[in-house]
Amino acid sequence: AQKITQTQPGMFVQEKEAVTLDCTYDTSDQSYGLFWYKQPSSGEMIFLIYQGSYDEQNATEGRYSLNFQKARKSANLVISASQLGDSAMYFCAMRLPLNAGNMLTFGGGTRLMVKP
Amino acid sequence: DTAVSQTPKYLVTQMGNDKSIKCEQNLGHDTMYWYKQDSKKFLKIMFSYNNKELIINETVPNRFSPKSPDKAHLNLHINSLELGDSAVYFCASSQAGRLSGANVLTFGAGSRLTVL
Repeated sequence: AQKITQTQPGMFVQEKEAVTLDCTYDTSDQSYGLFWYKQPSSGEMIFLIYQGSYDEQNATEGRYSLNFQKARKSANLVISASQLGDSAMYFCAMRLPLNAGNMLTFGGGTRLMVKP
Repeated sequence: DTAVSQTPKYLVTQMGNDKSIKCEQNLGHDTMYWYKQDSKKFLKIMFSYNNKELIINETVPNRFSPKSPDKAHLNLHINSLELGDSAVYFCASSQAGRLSGANVLTFGAGSRLTVL
């Protein structure tokens, strides 16, 4: 069964510093996809970044990058130059196999708080 | 123009009542979903649906039923509401086909259900 684990319930980071949010996953599939979403206090879910299991390079999107270590089954999100607006819940998610429904299963989330 | 819209945003009701949450997407997507986010922020898939197939998470009680009048709508009906149904319910949509960086889940703003 697919499983996503985020071991950091909450984290603080100083404004302008970088922060890494951890995500580990468990799957027996060779083909899978990993996603990160941001949920600010207003409640909406915002897609940040995607990493495919066959992608050779780590994904990057602006200040977001994904530290993908396939052998360790980890897909950590790195946010560079943190801003106050980065304070939010962050969710890691994995795509289920097509035969289990084309859906995402989510980790428990990490609450990031950026200090001024 | 909101891509995925849910109504109502807030819903307060008594135990035992039947209620519905509506969802509409104007993205031309083929697949729609319902997720439940509990008080600890854990996101759990409930259903995925396209015009061919409904996939139900096996843990969802049969008091919950999705109803789709057309491709752009997936409403959530809940019968005999219980206290434990209190949560934020998110509707989402995507293109048919494997979820990826080019085909992400787009979420609605959520509907907060409170059962008294």
